[in-house]
Amino acid sequence: GAVVSQHPSRVICKSGTSVKIECRSLDFQATTMFWYRQFPKQSLMLMATSNEGSKATYEQGVEKDKFLINHASLTLSTLTVTSAHPEDSSFYICSARGTGGLYNEQFFGPGTRLTVL
Amino acid sequence: DAKTTQPPSMDCAEGRAANLPCNHSTISGNEYVYWYRQIHSQGPQYIIHGLKNNETNEMASLIITEDRKSSTLILPHATLRDTAVYYCIVRGKKTGNQFYFGTGTSLTVIP
Repeated sequence: GAVVSQHPSRVICKSGTSVKIECRSLDFQATTMFWYRQFPKQSLMLMATSNEGSKATYEQGVEKDKFLINHASLTLSTLTVTSAHPEDSSFYICSARGTGGLYNEQFFGPGTRLTVL
Repeated sequence: DAKTTQPPSMDCAEGRAANLPCNHSTISGNEYVYWYRQIHSQGPQYIIHGLKNNETNEMASLIITEDRKSSTLILPHATLRDTAVYYCIVRGKKTGNQFYFGTGTSLTVIP
């Protein structure tokens, strides 16, 4: 149990276009989801915390107008990279925190590789 | 927020125990120590977590010092598939119950 999926796993887009990445908790309800970005040979960097039904909280230095996050249901959060540029190319990973007995756990998705040409 | 310090890399012979240290000298009393690992180009995988007592599960053991300022993750019989980056993370109210990843330890299991 406690599986988190991401779609797509890989995406290539042209500079200036927008890309949407989905994060789903498959077998549990996630009131909170998190979005991370990871550049090659670096650690994961927390971008934002997403709570179902409310606005996301962004970490310092992360542009909220560029990285739009929507957490419309207890099983789905989306990250939209708007007007993508080559420097946005990265590995984007989401995670989800459950409720009740799963509150202390955080389950990670497999990641989405974004390449902006 | 409490920060962790880990050696950047370690090697371990296949079949031997891998002992990965982590320093978290500024940890607070209600903060947990979590260990995750990340195999190349995959999402992090949960290994184990603890507060004060030593913990063991099917993957690993976690040894936390009495003063809680450091911990050691033990993989009892390392296999080649254990080659990964291992992250020690402190999580609690001071971190907003969020996970902030440090640089981790790149473990290479050698045949």
